[in-house]
Amino acid sequence: EVQLVESGGGLVQPGGSLRLSCAASGFTFSSYSMNWVRQAPGKGLEWVSYISSSSSTIYYADSVKGRFTISRDNAKNSLYLQMNSLRDEDTAVYYCARDIRGYSSSRAFDYWGQGTLVTVSS
Amino acid sequence: EIVLTQSPGTLSLSPGERATLSCRASQSVSSSYLAWYQQKPGQAPRLLIYGASSRATGIPDRFSGSGSGTDFTLTISRLEPEDFAVYYCQQYGSSPGMYTFGQGTKLEIK
Repeated sequence: EVQLVESGGGLVQPGGSLRLSCAASGFTFSSYSMNWVRQAPGKGLEWVSYISSSSSTIYYADSVKGRFTISRDNAKNSLYLQMNSLRDEDTAVYYCARDIRGYSSSRAFDYWGQGTLVTVSS
Repeated sequence: EIVLTQSPGTLSLSPGERATLSCRASQSVSSSYLAWYQQKPGQAPRLLIYGASSRATGIPDRFSGSGSGTDFTLTISRLEPEDFAVYYCQQYGSSPGMYTFGQGTKLEIK
């Protein structure tokens, strides 16, 4: 069974930093691209970042470029999101999501974690 | 950047009825890169449709997707009580590597 479990969320002051983790199991993690998606309270979904299976290709949404860093450790089956210079508007539930590129030419996210809440507030 | 506009914002229907949800793109989108998700309160989104019309694993056949270019549709043929949720469309590729979501359609019980 595919499982994605996020951790690392919490309360942080504006300008602070936080590192999110996503532990993957039930599939060959090293064969799949991964993403982070966030959802502000009561709002819609916003894609944050993408990393290819080998970490060779990385993309960011303009809203986080230069502040967030995505990475992965295939030996540990883990995905990370380092978030620096946090702003009030970064408050959201952060989800990790598996990309279907591992088995399809389409683009979508087939498995999602349960999310971890990041609250940026003084 | 391609903007996805979903309509209606809220759809009120009864179980057993047919639901038609629309997703319109500001520029043409590759059908291969259009997906639909369902999200219930307090839960993560669930992939329903990818490639505009392919059902994801385990998705009942009452869910179907169609469309091309700038106009895409999610149809639920006969609503079950568990189908009342928020639905999002998603596209890939307006900029390299970039995904965007529509603002969502809330499907509520009438």
